[in-house]
Amino acid sequence: DTGVSQDPRHKITKRGQNVTFRCDPISEHNRLYWYRQTLGQGPEFLTYFQNEAQLEKSRLLSDRFSAERPKGSFSTLEIQRTEQGDSAMYLCASRPGTGTQETQYFGPGTRLLVL
Amino acid sequence: GQSLEQPSEVTAVEGAIVQINCTYQTSGFYGLSWYQQHDGGAPTFLSYNALDGLEETGRFSSFLSRSDSYGYLLLQELQMKDSASYFCAVRDHSNDYKLSFGAGTTVTVRA
Repeated sequence: DTGVSQDPRHKITKRGQNVTFRCDPISEHNRLYWYRQTLGQGPEFLTYFQNEAQLEKSRLLSDRFSAERPKGSFSTLEIQRTEQGDSAMYLCASRPGTGTQETQYFGPGTRLLVL
Repeated sequence: GQSLEQPSEVTAVEGAIVQINCTYQTSGFYGLSWYQQHDGGAPTFLSYNALDGLEETGRFSSFLSRSDSYGYLLLQELQMKDSASYFCAVRDHSNDYKLSFGAGTTVTVRA
């Protein structure tokens, strides 16, 4: 257990529904990342927050995806009008302001299945 | 952009040594990192090489050759608990924040 928590751990939804995931990073970590991981692949970068500011968003992230970190602590990732291709593990990671971008602490992930 | 290549699977017996190679192509380069992920678990940071050479952390070592765009993770004295997927990852100057992962190498340790 790295100290990063994610909720829910599993989500099954029907195509076209909206879903929202939550990530609680380690409390003193002001950097937060979202990734998507499909079976047999490595994590794929989605977005990055420094405190409450979203500094980077992957071009792969369609307009149906939005992420927030309103108070610089927890973060939410929302997917609107879900599609079957959105089925994946959504991982959150955090790190302190010191150290390298490479040293990230990952949460257990939210596994999404879109039927 | 970045591309990384690593073998998809490796099988070895307990006590053996396994080397997982990773070759990368980037437009600018900060360093090479390695993560371990057990089935159903979260990726866990193992090591980071920014400079050429070998970094040793217990039974695991990581090597980088910037001139060859190549690195490897060495797992020594393999234990059953080392059965997991291992990912190499790079970050380059095109995007300071983005860590790009390889597809992963699944290591299976047999008794």
